[in-house]
Amino acid sequence: EVQLVESGGGLVQPGRSLRLSCAASDFTFDDYPMHWVRQAPGKGLEWVSGISWNSNTIGYADSVRGRFTISRDNAKNSLYLQMNSLRPEDTALYYCAKDSSTWYWGRFDCWGQGTLVTVSS
Amino acid sequence: QSALTQPASVSGSPGQSITISCTGTSSDVGSYNLVSWYQQHPGKAPKLMIYEGNKRPSGVSTRFSGSKSGNTASLTISGLQAEDEADYYCCSYAGITTLIFGGGTKLTVL
Repeated sequence: EVQLVESGGGLVQPGRSLRLSCAASDFTFDDYPMHWVRQAPGKGLEWVSGISWNSNTIGYADSVRGRFTISRDNAKNSLYLQMNSLRPEDTALYYCAKDSSTWYWGRFDCWGQGTLVTVSS
Repeated sequence: QSALTQPASVSGSPGQSITISCTGTSSDVGSYNLVSWYQQHPGKAPKLMIYEGNKRPSGVSTRFSGSKSGNTASLTISGLQAEDEADYYCCSYAGITTLIFGGGTKLTVL
């Protein structure tokens, strides 16, 4: 069964950094784009960042561009999100999502259970 | 990158049909038939229900269907069932490296 397991969340002070990881299993990881999607407490979904299978194409939401960096290691079947200069408004449950589309982005057919990031002093 | 516009809530009785709208602009929904829809039950991860505007993944009930007119995409659920009560989100491709979600709609089955 396709599985995505996020880790690395926690409580962090404003301005500090955090690195999230997503371990993928039971599918050919390097065939698919991958994404991070977040959900603030009681709020809706927000696309954060995406990366193509070979890391050649990367995109960010305006709200995180310049502060967050997405990357992947296909040899380790892993996706990462380096989050710098964190703000209270970055507080959210961060989901890792597999994208099964091959010619565009936006067909999230598998999601992890999320890792919670809380930014507070 | 403004969020797509969805109604905050919709409701219907068992057996009825409901439609949830998702309004964007000519730069996203209007330019591409690449809207996906997700169902999210409380405390659970989202689940893909519709992709590329009107296609259903394997295992998703035929009661769920998608459509688009101009800058507005729609999700219709027919034969409403209690288990359909959940939050629903649309998501549109908006050009290479850009995706936008809607604000979400809470569906209540009366």
